[in-house]
Amino acid sequence: DGGITQSPKYLFRKEGQNVTLSCEQNLNHDAMYWYRQDPGQGLRLIYYSQIVNDFQKGDIAEGYSVSREKKESFPLTVTSAQKNPTAFYLCASSIGRLIMNTEAFFGQGTRLTVV
Amino acid sequence: DAKTTQPTSMDCAEGRAANLPCNHSTISGNEYVYWYRQIHSQGPQYIIHGLKNNETNEMASLIITEDRKSSTLILPHATLRDTAVYYCIVRSMDSNYQLIWGAGTKLIIKP
Repeated sequence: DGGITQSPKYLFRKEGQNVTLSCEQNLNHDAMYWYRQDPGQGLRLIYYSQIVNDFQKGDIAEGYSVSREKKESFPLTVTSAQKNPTAFYLCASSIGRLIMNTEAFFGQGTRLTVV
Repeated sequence: DAKTTQPTSMDCAEGRAANLPCNHSTISGNEYVYWYRQIHSQGPQYIIHGLKNNETNEMASLIITEDRKSSTLILPHATLRDTAVYYCIVRSMDSNYQLIWGAGTKLIIKP
């Protein structure tokens, strides 16, 4: 089945360590996104990519990094510079970022806890 | 900031229609209204979107007022599995095509 796969579902990290969250899609979508969600709040955009080898900062990019070497994959690294990394992370994709009349599809999320 | 206003929470009886309101009084002519829902600890699920006309799909109906300043999402026969947070989002070129997420409406379906 086509969709977006995020792994792992739960992740624990010690303070000061970098950690990479995986996101893979087989929908042949050009655009991919990473969001962060804190309890009781909506989603906030971390990074997005419109095409392979290109990505742009979202509203809260500090302390995060991404790469887009393949169309299907958009991994997110939470670095030790992120001051409050404990959150629910969501990956999404869409046919194109600049197409208004199209929806985004989301993965099931990774819950990161810093211990 | 989100361009929409939604009630914080709503209840609905199982089997009845759930009507979720959304105000978007500053919407522009080329901006779409999107609805997503998020069941606890899962990724958001797309429901429906529209520009001017009312829309219907297998999940829900979207009713947009003629002046486009508000809309209503209708789940025709709510089930317990429809309990979720429902987000109404205006997608705008002004916000760089991003989906700007508010806190949504917590819909609780009661048996």
